[in-house]
Amino acid sequence: DTGVSQNPRHKITKRGQNVTFRCDPISEHNRLYWYRQTLGQGPEFLTYFQNEAQLEKSRLLSDRFSAERPKGSFSTLEIQRTEQGDSAMYLCASSIGQGATEAFFGQGTRLTVV
Amino acid sequence: GENVEQHPSTLSVQEGDSAVIKCTYSDSASNYFPWYKQELGKGPQLIIDIRSNVGEKKDQRIAVTLNKTAKHFSLHITETQPEDSAVYFCAASQGAQKLVFGQGTRLTINP
Repeated sequence: DTGVSQNPRHKITKRGQNVTFRCDPISEHNRLYWYRQTLGQGPEFLTYFQNEAQLEKSRLLSDRFSAERPKGSFSTLEIQRTEQGDSAMYLCASSIGQGATEAFFGQGTRLTVV
Repeated sequence: GENVEQHPSTLSVQEGDSAVIKCTYSDSASNYFPWYKQELGKGPQLIIDIRSNVGEKKDQRIAVTLNKTAKHFSLHITETQPEDSAVYFCAASQGAQKLVFGQGTRLTINP
C-alpha cells in the first residue's frame, strides 16, 4: 500500500448523468476527506469521515452529492444529475486522525461534464 | 470560519536563488499549518508542516516559519532547482479537522 488510490483518474460524462468515484485510503488511516479543486484554485473541503461516520459536510455538498464509507474502508462519492459546474478535480485524502496529523492526497479524479 | 490568504499568486526566481511564499489565516484556533506542492495533473504532495507550538521547522532546503501573534506563516525554499517549479499551497486546520487552503502560488525556477 503506497498511498491513497482514486479511481477513475478521468471521467467524461454528459450533463444529467450520474457518476461515482472511489477512494481507497492508506491502510489504518481512520479519517478520509473529499475535496474539490477547480482550475487555478486551492482544494475546497467537501466532507470527511471518521471510520464509517460522516462527521462534517460543506455547504458546497448539494443534495445531488452523496458520500459513503461503508465499514470504514474505501469511500465513494456520487454526483447525481451532473451539471457543467460540477466539472473539477475531485481529491481524496486520508490521515490517521488522532490530533494534528498529516493528510495525504490521492492523484484525484478529473470530471468533465459535457 | 477559517480564511487563508496566500501571496504571491505567481513567483519567478533564478535557479539557485531563494523563494518565499507567505500566508495569513484568520482563526486563532487553527493549530496545524501544512504546505503542499502540486505538479500538473497530480494530487497535492505534503512537503512540510508546522504546529502552533513551534515557531520554525526546517527540512533540508525547505523551511517554514509561524508567527501566531500576527497569524501568518511562510515557506522558504533555498538553493532553488528546476524541479521545484510547481504550484504551492498553504493550508490551516484545527487538529485533524478539514484543511482550509490558500489560493496557491505558481513558482517558476528559471535556469
